[in-house]
Amino acid sequence: QSVLTQPPSASGTPGQTVTISCSGGRSNIGSNSVNWYQHLPGTAPKLLIYSDNQRPSGVPDRFSGSTSGNSAALAISGLQSEDEADYYCTTWDGSLSGRVFGGGTKLTVL
Amino acid sequence: EVQLLESGGGLIQPGGSLRLSCTVSGFTFSDSGMTWVRQAPGKGLEWVSVISKKGDVTNYAKSVKGRFTISRDNSKNTVFLQMNSLRDEDTAKYYCAKLGVVDPHDYWGQGTLVTVS
Repeated sequence: QSVLTQPPSASGTPGQTVTISCSGGRSNIGSNSVNWYQHLPGTAPKLLIYSDNQRPSGVPDRFSGSTSGNSAALAISGLQSEDEADYYCTTWDGSLSGRVFGGGTKLTVL
Repeated sequence: EVQLLESGGGLIQPGGSLRLSCTVSGFTFSDSGMTWVRQAPGKGLEWVSVISKKGDVTNYAKSVKGRFTISRDNSKNTVFLQMNSLRDEDTAKYYCAKLGVVDPHDYWGQGTLVTVS
């Protein structure tokens, strides 16, 4: 059972906006910055968002991150077929003295 | 070009030991904390361990604490994960990474497969 809770699946049609939630607590999201990763089978995870809402260069502005209290969210607008992947939130947990990942959300583009 | 190359994975019996290595190039290794993350078959990403840039601070996931040891050799740009008392549930692809926490400089290897059976 992951410390960070994500929905196991999400879906949308091309062009739609999909939001993936990540729920935690005061010791993790509530007090540390959140990263989001996109993971395709057989490849290394790719950083989409760091420091809650910052995009690395090369990541389309269709991807945006936000936090509120003990929760975070990743929004993907203008959904494209190539967005079909697994998405993970992660942050440091001060109580565990370790990094924690959400359980992952499998995004399907219908 | 940034490269992280993991090695040392393989098939090992329960109770056995393996030592993973990750040699990096393309960024200043000695200025970077390094992390191991794993993914078991059909499961999500799981953080395993982190080591500070000087190697003086380490942290472990509860699932591996007392069995795994992370270390580094800054003269060889290499980070290690010594895995002892291996269990079936340690079967996973192990990734070495320099995580971009407050900056976008986030780098991962392609992973090395560890099978405990």
